[in-house]
Amino acid sequence: SQKIEQNSEALNIQEGKTATLTCNYTNYSPAYLQWYRQDPGRGPVFLLLIRENEKEKRKERLKVTFDTTLKQSLFHITASQPADSATYLCALNTNAGKSTFGDGTTLTVKP
Amino acid sequence: NAGVTQTPKFRVLKTGQSMTLLCAQDMNHEYMYWYRQDPGMGLRLIHYSVGEGTTAKGEVPDGYNVSRLKKQNFLLGLESAAPSQTSVYFCASTAGQAYNSPLHFGNGTRLTVT
Repeated sequence: SQKIEQNSEALNIQEGKTATLTCNYTNYSPAYLQWYRQDPGRGPVFLLLIRENEKEKRKERLKVTFDTTLKQSLFHITASQPADSATYLCALNTNAGKSTFGDGTTLTVKP
Repeated sequence: NAGVTQTPKFRVLKTGQSMTLLCAQDMNHEYMYWYRQDPGMGLRLIHYSVGEGTTAKGEVPDGYNVSRLKKQNFLLGLESAAPSQTSVYFCASTAGQAYNSPLHFGNGTRLTVT
């Protein structure tokens, strides 16, 4: 069956370090992968989209990689700040048009 | 712009009661979606719509109905609420198909069924 796994439910790091979040999938052939940020009591907010033929995408302090051989995406936040503390969700999209979400990883950045 | 607005924000129902959740978007988006979010289970798609007057089933449609009479509104109905429907419900919209367009989410409706 199709499965999306995001690394450990919680990730704690020190301010200024790089946070790396993992999204692994099985039995999918996604055409696109998206990353969202969700704060408590709020809806998810779109961050980045990467296509299957792209290896890497960057936006300010954010970087996403997509390895279709390993069936894995890595999401990096460099020079992390306490304001980056949130839950981060990955979503896989096939050409069928619907998004399937992972359970999310809660990141806490300590000052 | 308000983006995606969901009403109500909170609701408590007794088993067997009915209710309708309203989602309104002001971005002129064609596609709209209803998800539920439960601890440890992520966001799961209930129903979606690819345009005014259309609806389709998602991953977990049982116990829910939807209607898209106007392009800007997408209603989610529970005809006979069950405790298993206790969840946070999110509405989302996209300009195009979700696979190549970002989803714009509302801030959710927290529903408790006792």
